Amino acid sequence: EAQVTQNPRYLITVTGKKLTVTCSQNMNHEYMSWYRQDPGLGLRQIYYSMNVEVTDKGDVPEGYKVSRKEKRNFPLILESPSPNQTSLYFCASRRYLGGTYEQYFGPGTRLTVT
Amino acid sequence: GQQLNQSPQSMFIQEGEDVSMNCTSSSIFNTWLWYKQDPGEGPVLLIALYKAGELTSNGRLTAQFGITRKDSFLNISASIPSDVGIYFCAGLEYGNKLVFGAGTILRVKS
Repeated sequence: EAQVTQNPRYLITVTGKKLTVTCSQNMNHEYMSWYRQDPGLGLRQIYYSMNVEVTDKGDVPEGYKVSRKEKRNFPLILESPSPNQTSLYFCASRRYLGGTYEQYFGPGTRLTVT
Repeated sequence: GQQLNQSPQSMFIQEGEDVSMNCTSSSIFNTWLWYKQDPGEGPVLLIALYKAGELTSNGRLTAQFGITRKDSFLNISASIPSDVGIYFCAGLEYGNKLVFGAGTILRVKS
């Protein structure tokens, strides 16, 4: 079954305490990305990766880091979280092949920074 | 970054009604996408549209890629209670960037 998994699903932390949200996909997709979802703003892209060791900033990258050492994993790192990073985060992977677009989102990670 | 204008922001539906929502942009997209998000879950891709004028159906859902390539429409016919959720449009730019609308919240009229 095609799947994107994220962990943890819920996280409450304090300002400045480094954290990592893991993301893994089983579809061998080259393209992976991270989004944050805030009320009234839809989904905004944080970072994306077009392949292993290739990452680039999205629209709201400040305060976040990513890495892509393996094709299946794309962790999101918050080195020093702040309250304005309280949000719902989604990892996604996709493929556009032979004129067909295929994309899957993870179940989301709800992060609260106090 | 660029955003899409999605409307309406929210709407109430009564079972059996038809529902329409749309997205507009100041820029051209080469692919339009529609997603649904249920509470506590990630968005799920419903329909992908690949060329201007294209009309595509997925069950009771029908979506169209506008002729100008700057807009798209989603219609849901004969709505049922499980249609409630948030619907997002998204446009795929040349260069692979995906831009989302703010979403349309569908609720059931009580």
